[in-house]
Parts: sequence; structure tokens; C-alpha cells
Amino acid sequence: DAGVIQSPRHEVTEMGQEVTLRCKPISGHNSLFWYRQTMMRGLELLIYFNNNVPIDDSGMPEDRFSAKMPNASFSTLKIQPSEPRDSAVYFCASSRTVGYTFGSGTRLTVV
Amino acid sequence: AQSVTQLGSHVSVSEGALVLLRCNYSSSVPPYLFWYVQYPNQGLQLLLKYTSAATLVKGINGFEAEFKKSETSFHLTKPSAHMSDAAEYFCAVSDMGGGNKLTFGTGTQLKVEL
Repeated sequence: DAGVIQSPRHEVTEMGQEVTLRCKPISGHNSLFWYRQTMMRGLELLIYFNNNVPIDDSGMPEDRFSAKMPNASFSTLKIQPSEPRDSAVYFCASSRTVGYTFGSGTRLTVV
Repeated sequence: AQSVTQLGSHVSVSEGALVLLRCNYSSSVPPYLFWYVQYPNQGLQLLLKYTSAATLVKGINGFEAEFKKSETSFHLTKPSAHMSDAAEYFCAVSDMGGGNKLTFGTGTQLKVEL
């Protein structure tokens, strides 16, 4: 079991650029979650999917953020255009029943 | 909506001392409850979970937690702290109506001193 795989681990980009974060959930898990972690706001749920369908995106901060899950083994979180306040660690997690397995996260720095 | 409250954003203990991290939940239905640990620059790792079976739940690394419905609590304990336990700990509650969505507390940073 390779766990939840996120890429890249670190991303540094300039303000205004498009950023795409990637996640491969554990095989057989049918729920996928995107979280953002900052010192100020802690862990925030951005969006989650069940069976590749977005269920709740109320945590997505604004229209600059979008997420897709084209199939059961891949999801992306895109920020366009990026801003310095988007700097955070972004986690992906997947679940089959109760409880999540988290990926190692992507540390995004927007300068 | 379900929620959890973690009392104390920072807890400091001596090596070998009891660890007690507090978590209270709010839920209109029987909850599922979780403790996760996050080491620096890593993702969150599941320590233990309560899913309505035994009220005393044992997890990894010697941690355990007791579900107390009367107190709406799910405190995390370990009899003897080790330096390697220094990390951030998150309590979480499951929203059973939302595809297993978890709501996390604000976290407690555990410091272990010699």
C-alpha cells in the first residue's frame, strides 16, 4: 500500500501564476478530501468528493480555486491566479469507510 | 453541525510523565471520534478511533482514549511520555451525513521535556 501520494512536495511560484496540486488516493477508497493548513486558520476542508463527484465545495475560498477528480485514482487542485495569501500546506486525504489516510502534503509558497 | 474543542493549544510534560490531551465534542447523533498526530513537515497520521464499540480505545505508540458520553469527552492519554511523542495532536469528529467528512479541532502541540 503506497498510501496517498501528493505531488509536488514543495512548490514555489510567483504571484499571478497558475498552480496545480496533484493527488493519487489509495486504491479502493471512494472519498477524497482536500485540506489547507496554515498557522492562522489551522486545518480547513476545501472540498471533498464521493465516487469522483464533488459533494461539498463550500470551503473553497474563492473562484480562483478549482478541483477536479476525473477518475478514481487522480485529483487536482488548481489555483489561478495564485496570491501570496494562498501560501500554505495543502493536504489530500482519502477514505473508504471511517477515518482518513492523509498524504504528506504540498507546501505552497507564493512570492 | 458536529464540532470538537481541544482545550489547551500547548501542553508541556516531562519525559516519563502522564500525557493528557483534552477533547470535547458536540454532536446531535452518536459520533465517530478520532485522534490524529502530526510530526513536523509530515501529514496527519491516525492514532486511534472510536466507532461505537468499546469505549476505551487503544491506539498506536501506547496512546489510548476513553469515550465518555456523559461528559461529551474523548481525552487522549499515555501513561509515560517519550521525547518522540512531541508533535501536534488533532481530535476530530465524523459527520456521518456527509460522506465520512471529518471536522478537526484546532490542535494541541505537545512538548516533552527532559
